[in-house]
Amino acid sequence: AQSVTQLGSHVSVSEGALVLLRCNYSSSVPPYLFWYVQYPNQGLQLLLKYTSAATLVKGINGFEAEFKKSETSFHLTKPSAHMSDAAEYFCAVSELDDKIIFGKGTRLHILP
Amino acid sequence: DAGVTQSPTHLIKTRGQQVTLRCSPKSGHDTVSWYQQALGQGPQFIFQYYEEEERQRGNFPDRFSGHQFPNYSSELNVNALLLGDSALYLCASSSATGVNYGYTFGSGTRLTVV
Repeated sequence: AQSVTQLGSHVSVSEGALVLLRCNYSSSVPPYLFWYVQYPNQGLQLLLKYTSAATLVKGINGFEAEFKKSETSFHLTKPSAHMSDAAEYFCAVSELDDKIIFGKGTRLHILP
Repeated sequence: DAGVTQSPTHLIKTRGQQVTLRCSPKSGHDTVSWYQQALGQGPQFIFQYYEEEERQRGNFPDRFSGHQFPNYSSELNVNALLLGDSALYLCASSSATGVNYGYTFGSGTRLTVV
């Protein structure tokens, strides 16, 4: 069965520092992988997705993620954090059945 | 171009009551999925509707039911409400295969059961 584990329910970084949010997945077939962001009182916005093309995926707002099959990981990074990046981030996986399974989320705090 | 519209935005119900949540998909989308997001948790898949039929379902009891109309809009019904049903309910629409073509999420309906 497919599943997602996000390491760290809360992550704090200083403004201008590297953002690294960790995600490991479990899937019996080559998966589709996603990162979504959720701002307070809003729905989910797609940051980026991996669909078996390039392993390094570039998304919106300067975020990118690298698919590493050997490590079953899909970590999200951004070189320089901005105050507006403070939000909840969800890693998600989907197999062929078109159902998305989400992780529990990581709340990103940006320190001034 | 309007995205996914959900109504109402907030709702307070009493235990044992029934509730109906509504979703209008993004223009051009024909598939609607519903998710429940409890406080501090990731969204959990409830079910998906396509061509007015439930195409697949997550691990939710029969108290949760849905419907899709010919104009692709959808309703989520929950009967015999429990305190544990308090959550943000998200609707997502997509066209054909959502995984390939992308889901668009609404802002959700915040349901509080007292």
